[in-house]
Amino acid sequence: KAGVTQTPRYLIKTRGQQVTLSCSPISGHRSVSWYQQTPGQGLQFLFEYFSETQRNKGNFPGRFSGRQFSNSRSEMNVSTLELGDSALYLCASSLDTGWEQPQHFGDGTRLSIL
Amino acid sequence: GENVEQHPSTLSVQEGDSAVIKCTYSDSASNYFPWYKQELGKGPQLIIDIRSNVGEKKDQRIAVTLNKTAKHFSLHITETQPEDSAVYFCAPKGVQGAQKLVFGQGTRLTINP
Repeated sequence: KAGVTQTPRYLIKTRGQQVTLSCSPISGHRSVSWYQQTPGQGLQFLFEYFSETQRNKGNFPGRFSGRQFSNSRSEMNVSTLELGDSALYLCASSLDTGWEQPQHFGDGTRLSIL
Repeated sequence: GENVEQHPSTLSVQEGDSAVIKCTYSDSASNYFPWYKQELGKGPQLIIDIRSNVGEKKDQRIAVTLNKTAKHFSLHITETQPEDSAVYFCAPKGVQGAQKLVFGQGTRLTINP
């Protein structure tokens, strides 16, 4: 069974631009969550989607947004990029939204802002 | 919100010895307790998890123990091998907040041959 697939793996952007990252969950998984990983802040929750609806949102500015499609694939968008947005963005999928459902991560998209 | 602390932040052990990493959490509603392993250039990999109605779970050389009263759980790795070298994260989750994992700051484990 294929794991969580994130594209692209690496991305370089400049300040003020916007970026879209893509995540394909494990086949059959319907819940997708996004996390930001930085050396200073560690792993932080961005948002969670299930059935094309955002269920939870972390403490990030409105420049960070996401969506989920009917096939459970998800995208996240960051607008007006800032230097501090440089990070590894990780997507995780789980079967559903049950509290005991394990989350499985992709290898992330490393975003660098120049 | 949930406060999660991991100790130690770095751990160096001789190959073949055991390693223990402890995770302390603040949210008494937490009911699901996973441990993740992250290797360089990869995403976190779920290695073991435990639910709140279980005190201990073992999978070959890896085990997790839970003390809900004291609000901590620990990862135990026995007979360590060089491939165990990685950063380990705990990420307790409560019913409230559904799929939101709150990660500890990580423990860098180094296995010395």
